[in-house]
Amino acid sequence: DVKVTQSSRYLVKRTGEKVFLECVQDMDHENMFWYRQDPGLGLRLIYFSYDVKMKEKGDIPEGYSVSREKKERFSLILESASTNQTSMYLCASSRIQQGSYGYTFGSGTRLTVV
Amino acid sequence: SQQGEEDPQALSIQEGENATMNCSYKTSINNLQWYRQNSGRGLVHLILIRSNEREKHSGRLRVTLDTSKKSSSLLITASRAADTASYFCAYRMDSSYKLIFGSGTRLLVRP
Repeated sequence: DVKVTQSSRYLVKRTGEKVFLECVQDMDHENMFWYRQDPGLGLRLIYFSYDVKMKEKGDIPEGYSVSREKKERFSLILESASTNQTSMYLCASSRIQQGSYGYTFGSGTRLTVV
Repeated sequence: SQQGEEDPQALSIQEGENATMNCSYKTSINNLQWYRQNSGRGLVHLILIRSNEREKHSGRLRVTLDTSKKSSSLLITASRAADTASYFCAYRMDSSYKLIFGSGTRLLVRP
């Protein structure tokens, strides 16, 4: 069964910590995405990557960075966590020809910054 | 904002009834997709309809797309308690990798 795996379901971190959220997909997909989901704000795109070592900013990249050293892995980094980054983080992947395929999402990581 | 709008925000129906959710968007699109999210979990892709298609079926799901009105609807027939979830539309703009997600409809199916 093909899937996207996020390393943690729940995380609690302290303000100022550097936080790594890991995402791995086993479908050989070219595209990978990081979203955050907040009540009343829906899903907002943080960063996406269309190839190894390639990345583009989404709608809310401030306070985040990403790394894609291998095709199957896309990491989201919070350089210095803040309480306003408490959220549900969702990773997704898709084939590059997205005309006929949807996204496959991971189960999400609920991050709390205290 | 480019975010799609969904209507209604919440819907409560009895098991066996049909559920209809609507989505409106603001730009020209390549395709429109519907996703389901169970509480606290990731999203699951349900169905994709291309901009040159008007209607598509998958099991108990029926999706329509009206590009002239920039709107889509998702119909779930003969609903079950297990259909209780949030449903999101998402559309891909032309020449973009990105999906823009709607605000979601929370569906409650009462046994």
